[in-house]
Amino acid sequence: DIQMTQSPSSLSASVGDRITITCRASQGINNYLAWYQQKPGKVPKVLIYAASTLQSGVPSRFSGSGSGTDFTLTISSLQPEDVATYYCQKYNSAPWTFGQGTKVEIK
Amino acid sequence: QVQLVESGGGVVQPGRSLRLSCAASGFTFSIFGMHWVRQAPGKGLEWVAAISYDGSNEDYADSVKGRFTISRDNSKNTLYVQLNSLRAEDTAVYYCAKEIVSSSWFHDWGQGTLVTVSS
Repeated sequence: DIQMTQSPSSLSASVGDRITITCRASQGINNYLAWYQQKPGKVPKVLIYAASTLQSGVPSRFSGSGSGTDFTLTISSLQPEDVATYYCQKYNSAPWTFGQGTKVEIK
Repeated sequence: QVQLVESGGGVVQPGRSLRLSCAASGFTFSIFGMHWVRQAPGKGLEWVAAISYDGSNEDYADSVKGRFTISRDNSKNTLYVQLNSLRAEDTAVYYCAKEIVSSSWFHDWGQGTLVTVSS
């Protein structure tokens, strides 16, 4: 099975900072990669699919890139409401594996 | 709008069984693949099982294969998962989730139901 590895596991940054989260697949997955945001006590919400397509309604400060095995989620200007845990996920075939998550906090 | 409402969670002893349900509304349930995802307390998301739109294909995580069974009743717009031989490590919030197209990412999620396996 393909494993999904995120880094870092947590980060703390200031409001307005640009942050990047990395997700690596153990084998190539083309662009079958989604990013989810889960705020404390809430249900996960899809931010990006097909590695770089922004879900409707998601602020444009979020962006995704990558293909094959290496992917990134970038928040161009971190806002207080972005405090959450972010997960990558491979899809298109079983298992629909999630990364272990990256917890983002405000410094 | 899409609504997914899970039920059936609770406290159960190790080795016992439980059946979770997910009632769907606001969309044509019979044309979408569905999934169960779980999240242990304070931990990350773990995909559990998937079922195709017509129930003809099922997939399972290795951690639950042979113990859990996913099913659906398209006449009742309901997704199920039968949890057998439960272990302490199965303690989690169980979410049902809906694909947007075949084998896609999860566009919609329920609020989850908590399963606690404890003696």
